[in-house]
Amino acid sequence: GDSVTQMEGPVTLSEEAFLTINCTYTATGYPSLFWYVQYPGEGLQLLLKATKADDKGSNKGFEATYRKETTSFHLEKGSVQVSDSAVYFCALSDRAAGNKLTFGGGTRVLVKP
Amino acid sequence: DGGITQSPKYLFRKEGQNVTLSCEQNLNHDAMYWYRQDPGQGLRLIYYSQIVNDFQKGDIAEGYSVSREKKESFPLTVTSAQKNPTAFYLCASSLYRTTTLINQPQHFGDGTRLSIL
Repeated sequence: GDSVTQMEGPVTLSEEAFLTINCTYTATGYPSLFWYVQYPGEGLQLLLKATKADDKGSNKGFEATYRKETTSFHLEKGSVQVSDSAVYFCALSDRAAGNKLTFGGGTRVLVKP
Repeated sequence: DGGITQSPKYLFRKEGQNVTLSCEQNLNHDAMYWYRQDPGQGLRLIYYSQIVNDFQKGDIAEGYSVSREKKESFPLTVTSAQKNPTAFYLCASSLYRTTTLINQPQHFGDGTRLSIL
């Protein structure tokens, strides 16, 4: 079945540091890939997405590139802010599986001033 | 504004009691989903529905039930058969178009936190 593996946290950074969160996946079909962010006590918000190989999703300074050859979708941001402190989830959606989302375990990021 | 509304925000269940979590969306989305999130873990799919009057079990459906009588609404009942119901429950919705290969992103509500009394 489909699965998503992302690096465990917590990841603790200083403000303006570079952030990378690794995400790899296995899927039988042609998945779309997503990054969601969850702030404390809230639901998930879509951060960015990519629907085919070599697509780059970007939003709010975050970027991730769909790498089919390495089955990866790593999230990066060049200069983090305290407001980026949250839990980040990598997910895939496979039409062969009825468009259901399969999530990674989440990575907590803490940015210190 | 369009969105997904979950209620209540906090819910307490007594032993042997069934409780129902509400989820309403005004995004005109076809598909709706229920997830369970346990502390420090990812989300697991409970049930999903792609059209009115039809729904399918997800990965952890035991002890839960749903209905989809209206496009806008997808309530989740946590039954007394669910022995460990304490969790954060998230409802989501998305477009579902069979004519395209593009998977539509899911939009989430703010969640309901269920605890045992």
